[in-house]
Amino acid sequence: ETGVTQTPRHLVMGMTNKKSLKCEQHLGHNAMYWYKQSAKKPLELMFVYNFKEQTENNSVPSRFSPECPNSSHLFLHLHTLQPEDSALYLCASSQVWAGRTEAFFGQGTRLTVV
Amino acid sequence: DAKTTQPPSMDCAEGRAANLPCNHSTISGNEYVYWYRQIHSQGPQYIIHGLKNNETNEMASLIITEDRKSSTLILPHATLRDTAVYYCIVRPPGGGADGLTFGKGTHLIIQP
Repeated sequence: ETGVTQTPRHLVMGMTNKKSLKCEQHLGHNAMYWYKQSAKKPLELMFVYNFKEQTENNSVPSRFSPECPNSSHLFLHLHTLQPEDSALYLCASSQVWAGRTEAFFGQGTRLTVV
Repeated sequence: DAKTTQPPSMDCAEGRAANLPCNHSTISGNEYVYWYRQIHSQGPQYIIHGLKNNETNEMASLIITEDRKSSTLILPHATLRDTAVYYCIVRPPGGGADGLTFGKGTHLIIQP
């Protein structure tokens, strides 16, 4: 248990569906992140939120829409996805201050787009 | 972030020490060396980090060369549960605001 909880753990959705991934951290951290891990590829950073403000968007298609209503919760809203979007989506949090940048990851949501 | 180079895979016998190397020849003076690991289909797990001095915690030891251009992660008594992909990442202090950049890492396989 890392203190970062992701739901659901598995999700199968059609290309016309709308779904949301949820992440919750119980660590009191001030930064949260979404990463994508496709098969046989390194983890890719998607979005960064610091103090609830989005500070980074790594050229992610608009069919992925993040939301950070407070410092403990992070969502990833999905709509009209493509089969190539099937991947493991990981949420992480960290306490950003000079000197230490350990990130704590959730167990991920395994997404399959059919 | 400074680029790191790791071997793609390594084997180690159960009970022996696993030594995972990482080259980071372009590291800057204020950048830290971090190690994470990812067990199959789980989220990455923080292991250890260091700046100049060698570091040890309950999971592993980190040896950083004097010129800081390379480091070695040591798992002193490897178990089957240590089979995972290990990532070496170089980060500036306070760099957490930008997220982590993962490479391909080293796939460590512990043999029974």
